[in-house]
Amino acid sequence: KNEVEQSPQNLTAQEGEFITINCSYSVGISALHWLQQHPGGGIVSLFMLSSGKKKHGRLIATINIQEKHSSLHITASHPRDSAVYICAADDYGNKLVFGAGTILRVKS
Amino acid sequence: EAQVTQNPRYLITVTGKKLTVTCSQNMNHEYMSWYRQDPGLGLRQIYYSMNVEVTDKGDVPEGYKVSRKEKRNFPLILESPSPNQTSLYFCASSLYPRDRAISGANVLTFGAGSRLTVL
Repeated sequence: KNEVEQSPQNLTAQEGEFITINCSYSVGISALHWLQQHPGGGIVSLFMLSSGKKKHGRLIATINIQEKHSSLHITASHPRDSAVYICAADDYGNKLVFGAGTILRVKS
Repeated sequence: EAQVTQNPRYLITVTGKKLTVTCSQNMNHEYMSWYRQDPGLGLRQIYYSMNVEVTDKGDVPEGYKVSRKEKRNFPLILESPSPNQTSLYFCASSLYPRDRAISGANVLTFGAGSRLTVL
């Protein structure tokens, strides 16, 4: 059974700071999803990664399949980035396995 | 607009009163899934469907039923709700898993969530 762990669980940053959220999984996978959930809101898919790096605006996601590790970086953080960030392991099978989420608060 | 639509968004009900949460997607996705989200436990899969008339249990299926009679719809049925089913529920859809790999696209789409309270 795949275990997905995220760190940190909670993160508070000042506006403008560079933020890193980590995700590790125990079993080999084919891809990893990064999701964003704003307070009281729905879940939005940010990235799906199977190798290397992807960038969208101020968000960068990297993955090392061999080391079973992925990171989500936010450059020049802003209060509107405050949300829960969730990673999910995908073996292109029937199920996704989710991490518990990282609660990010960016203060102005 | 490509979307997954869930209804109702909010519901308060009483123990034992059958209810259905509907989920509909307009992206012609084969794969659909239901999750519940509880504080400290994250997202847990209830049921999923790989295509019409094909459904299977996720990690926490007890007390729930689903059906997939049409590709676009995947309702979640609580035959006899209990207070431990109070939760935030999400429906999601995506391409068939192997096609996620081929497309390389970000194709996992969630509904807005349904907050259910069972008294």
